[in-house]
Amino acid sequence: DGGITQSPKYLFRKEGQNVTLSCEQNLNHDAMYWYRQDPGQGLRLIYYSQIVNDFQKGDIAEGYSVSREKKESFPLTVTSAQKNPTAFYLCASSIGKLRADTQYFGPGTRLTVL
Amino acid sequence: SQQGEEDPQALSIQEGENATMNCSYKTSINNLQWYRQNSGRGLVHLILIRSNEREKHSGRLRVTLDTSKKSSSLLITASRAADTASYFCATDEGSSGSARQLTFGSGTQLTVLP
Repeated sequence: DGGITQSPKYLFRKEGQNVTLSCEQNLNHDAMYWYRQDPGQGLRLIYYSQIVNDFQKGDIAEGYSVSREKKESFPLTVTSAQKNPTAFYLCASSIGKLRADTQYFGPGTRLTVL
Repeated sequence: SQQGEEDPQALSIQEGENATMNCSYKTSINNLQWYRQNSGRGLVHLILIRSNEREKHSGRLRVTLDTSKKSSSLLITASRAADTASYFCATDEGSSGSARQLTFGSGTQLTVLP
């Protein structure tokens, strides 16, 4: 999993609550990404950030929010507006700013809504 | 949106046999990457093949790319039980720098039986 950490590993949320997933990298990578993975599915891009204080929506941004105040950190908040948040969330980073660069992934956070 | 589609969805082989997984895609690409995911973990980058390359090797891995057929294959030779994982192809599509993105397929679940 390289130099990317995600916490917590497992997270349980009650309906109507916001939760924040942590992602930290010590690889000095410019770009960071958040993906959602559902069982038996590929990865879908939620948000990405190419530089500090800037981020862009991915394919499924509704109900999620992010911030990039530091190069090393890219937290994801799953809001109560996300209708079906139970999933496996993966954070990744890449050396360059191109979204098509080789990406390095964290170990993931499994979120379950009770 | 999904670009690459892996085939088969699931593959079960005996230890020592070769495993071949295929990836088909729809639009032109700049490069194609293969990733591996152990159950409940993050993805690990295996190999990248550029659109002007036809074959690439890395240890027991062999990747081919046929841009005329819009397909790629990943061959794992002399498989081991530790190769049991999901394998994803990811295509780098798009023509301009910041618009390029990595799009993941839904993966092939490989099981290597001891």
